Amino acid sequence: EVQLVESGGGLVQPGGSLTLSCAASGFTFSNFWMGWVRQAPGRGLEWVANIRQDGSQKMYVDSVKGRFIISRDNAKNSLYLQMSSLRAEDTALYYCAREIRGVYYDTDVWGQGTTVTVSS
Amino acid sequence: QTVVTQEPSLTVSPGGTVTLTCASSTGAVTSGYFPNWFQQKPGQAPRALIYSTSNKHSWTPARFSGSLLGGKAALTLSGVQPEDEAEYYCLLYFGDGQIFGGGTKLTVL
Repeated sequence: EVQLVESGGGLVQPGGSLTLSCAASGFTFSNFWMGWVRQAPGRGLEWVANIRQDGSQKMYVDSVKGRFIISRDNAKNSLYLQMSSLRAEDTALYYCAREIRGVYYDTDVWGQGTTVTVSS
Repeated sequence: QTVVTQEPSLTVSPGGTVTLTCASSTGAVTSGYFPNWFQQKPGQAPRALIYSTSNKHSWTPARFSGSLLGGKAALTLSGVQPEDEAEYYCLLYFGDGQIFGGGTKLTVL
């Protein structure tokens, strides 16, 4: 079964740091782009970042550039999101998602999410 | 800053047909933006429905279809079922990332 399981969320003070992890199983992780999408409470979906299969290309939404770093470890079938200088507006449910890019573009598999709360 | 716009809410009767649209502030949406559509029900993760304009996943019910319509991406539900009540999001791919629309809350009434 294809599965993505996020972890690492929690309560953090403004200005603090947190690292999210996503464990992938049921597919060849190294063959796919991977990304993070977040959803603030009661709000819509927001794409945050994604990373190429070999980690050679990374893209970020403007609001997190310079503060968040996406990375992956293909040997561990894992995706990460290092978040620093966190702000209240980063409070959200963070989803890990699998992406397909090539002839077709598709974001087909999603995890259940991990919650990040930035508050003093 | 690019904005992707969807209808905030739509209402449809059971068995009816409804079309949701997805527009870009950059101009006409074309197949080159590879429009994706997702369904999200309360308390659940999003579920992919349509990719690259009109392609369905194996789990996508036949009553869902994607297209381009009048310079926008479109998701049409034909023969709407009560379980289709949900939030629907489109996603467009740009050169430096991707952007979700604000979502359409579909009510089946």
